[in-house]
Amino acid sequence: AQKVTQAQTEISVVEKEDVTLDCVYETRDTTYYLFWYKQPPSGELVFLIRRNSFDEQNEISGRYSWNFQKSTSSFNFTITASQVVDSAVYFCALAKAAGNKLTFGGGTRVLVKP
Amino acid sequence: GAGVSQSPSNKVTEKGKDVELRCDPISGHTALYWYRQSLGQGLEFLIYFQGNSAPDKSGLPSDRFSAERTGGSVSTLTIQRTQQEDSAVYLCASSLKVGGGTEAFFGQGTRLTVV
Repeated sequence: AQKVTQAQTEISVVEKEDVTLDCVYETRDTTYYLFWYKQPPSGELVFLIRRNSFDEQNEISGRYSWNFQKSTSSFNFTITASQVVDSAVYFCALAKAAGNKLTFGGGTRVLVKP
Repeated sequence: GAGVSQSPSNKVTEKGKDVELRCDPISGHTALYWYRQSLGQGLEFLIYFQGNSAPDKSGLPSDRFSAERTGGSVSTLTIQRTQQEDSAVYLCASSLKVGGGTEAFFGQGTRLTVV
């Protein structure tokens, strides 16, 4: 069975602070995919990033960066110099290689105060 | 269309009534998914369709839930004899294909309230 755990339910920061969201996953598969999605107040889930289990290279996209560590089954997400527009719920998710069913974590609500 | 479209955006229904939720996926996407987001259960997979293959219904919580996809495009999720625990946001997503970690694009959801 697959499982994704986001231990932080809510994080509150002041604008320009960095914030790191933790994600720990469980799977017996050797090939799998990890995702991060953002859910702003409008409700639509917005895709941020996808990693496959064979690519442990960290990735940076603007103010966003991701740290994938297979040894600890973690796929953490950092927002650098946070902005008010980053306020949203962020979901980590896991998918098998052969299908696209996403197993989501419980989500982390990020509140960035001006 | 430009994105995944769901209707209605909000639905209030009386307990025991049937409801239909509609999803119009991105044109050309062969895979379509339904998820449910509720306070108690988080985001849960319900069902997915891939082309002409038999749908994966493994996430449907009971036989009151069913879904169909006509002509490989629009999908309807039907909940019969609604119960209060069915209250949730129902999210639809589509992707170019199933497998290989293909990115799924989500609609804005239908908020269902059963009173």
